[in-house]
Amino acid sequence: DGGITQSPKYLFRKEGQNVTLSCEQNLNHDAMYWYRQDPGQGLRLIYYSQIVNDFQKGDIAEGYSVSREKKESFPLTVTSAQKNPTAFYLCASSIGSSGYYNEQFFGPGTRLTVL
Amino acid sequence: AQTVTQSQPEMSVQEAETVTLSCTYDTSESDYYLFWYKQPPSRQMILVIRQEAYKQQNATENRFSVNFQKAAKSFSLKISDSQLGDAAMYFCAYILTSGTYKYIFGTGTRLKVLA
Repeated sequence: DGGITQSPKYLFRKEGQNVTLSCEQNLNHDAMYWYRQDPGQGLRLIYYSQIVNDFQKGDIAEGYSVSREKKESFPLTVTSAQKNPTAFYLCASSIGSSGYYNEQFFGPGTRLTVL
Repeated sequence: AQTVTQSQPEMSVQEAETVTLSCTYDTSESDYYLFWYKQPPSRQMILVIRQEAYKQQNATENRFSVNFQKAAKSFSLKISDSQLGDAAMYFCAYILTSGTYKYIFGTGTRLKVLA
């Protein structure tokens, strides 16, 4: 079945550590996204990628980094520079073809907690 | 500015009744797609319904329908015959059809369904 997987489901980090959240899709989508969701709030865009080897900062990119070496994968690294990283992180993808925008498909999310 | 406003942080509906969630958006563009997403307690984001801005006919998906008023930039979601499984956060979103891959989300409306 086609879809988006995120791992791990729960992640605990000590202060000062970098951690990497995995996101993989087998939908053959060009565009991929990372969102952060805090309690009672909507989705805030961290980074997005329209195509392999290219990505753009979203609204809250500080303290995060990404790579897009393969079409299927878009890992997110939460660095020690991110002051308040405890949150729920959602990865998404969309077809992204120029002139044709479809809905985003979402992964199940990763809950990151800083100890 | 590109924004989506969901003015109702929380709504309640009796089982089997009808409820309408409001959404207004702001864009100077004329071509875009609008979406309603559902996020149940599992936190998996699920597409509920989609509307192309160039279509005047309101989209429907079983018990879910929208009232799309392009001039007023309004995109409300009507849920008929509400079921306990409809209880969730509902997010309104849009994306322009050209120039960007960025989706704009509202802050969400929490829907409670009362038995």
